[in-house]
Amino acid sequence: DAGVIQSPRHEVTEMGQEVTLRCKPISGHDYLFWYRQTMMRGLELLIYFNNNVPIDDSGMPEDRFSAKMPNASFSTLKIQPSEPRDSAVYFCASSNRSVPSPQHFGDGTRLSIL
Amino acid sequence: QKEVEQNSGPLSVPEGAIASLNCTYSDRVSQSFFWYRQYSGKSPELIMSIYSNGDKEDGRFTAQLNKASQYVSLLIRDSQPSDSATYLCAVIQGAQKLVFGQGTRLTINP
Repeated sequence: DAGVIQSPRHEVTEMGQEVTLRCKPISGHDYLFWYRQTMMRGLELLIYFNNNVPIDDSGMPEDRFSAKMPNASFSTLKIQPSEPRDSAVYFCASSNRSVPSPQHFGDGTRLSIL
Repeated sequence: QKEVEQNSGPLSVPEGAIASLNCTYSDRVSQSFFWYRQYSGKSPELIMSIYSNGDKEDGRFTAQLNKASQYVSLLIRDSQPSDSATYLCAVIQGAQKLVFGQGTRLTINP
């Protein structure tokens, strides 16, 4: 079975540009999570969805960040405008409805904002 | 106090020995606990889950949970160089929200 698929794997862009990260969860999983990982702050939850509905976005750092899940097989995380401090590895993870349910992570997007 | 605390290490263990990784958590109502392994440049990979007090064994790995002390640990027996990685402790808050510790960097020396 295919795991969580993220794209792109690497993104380098200049400050001020819009960045869009994409995620396809594991088929049949009802929950989708976006994380950010940095050396200083570790792995932080940004937002998560249940059945395509955002449940908790308290980790989204500021209004420059937005996330959508238009259907069960696709989600995006956008940063507009991007800043150098947004440089990090962004992970998407998914899990199914059973409680508790382990989360399965994608390979991540390594984002560098110059 | 951080919600999930781990010693960041690095923890250095000789090959063949037992590696012991520790984690404490602050939320007394937490019921579900996970250990993830993360190799450098890779994504976190689930290696153990534990929900009840006591020990849970899976191959060379043993997870231990003590809810009264709010403590969870991971033992790796017969450590191998391939076990060298960062180990992340994670605790469920609410229904599905995972809170991670900072991770412990483990090095197994041949």
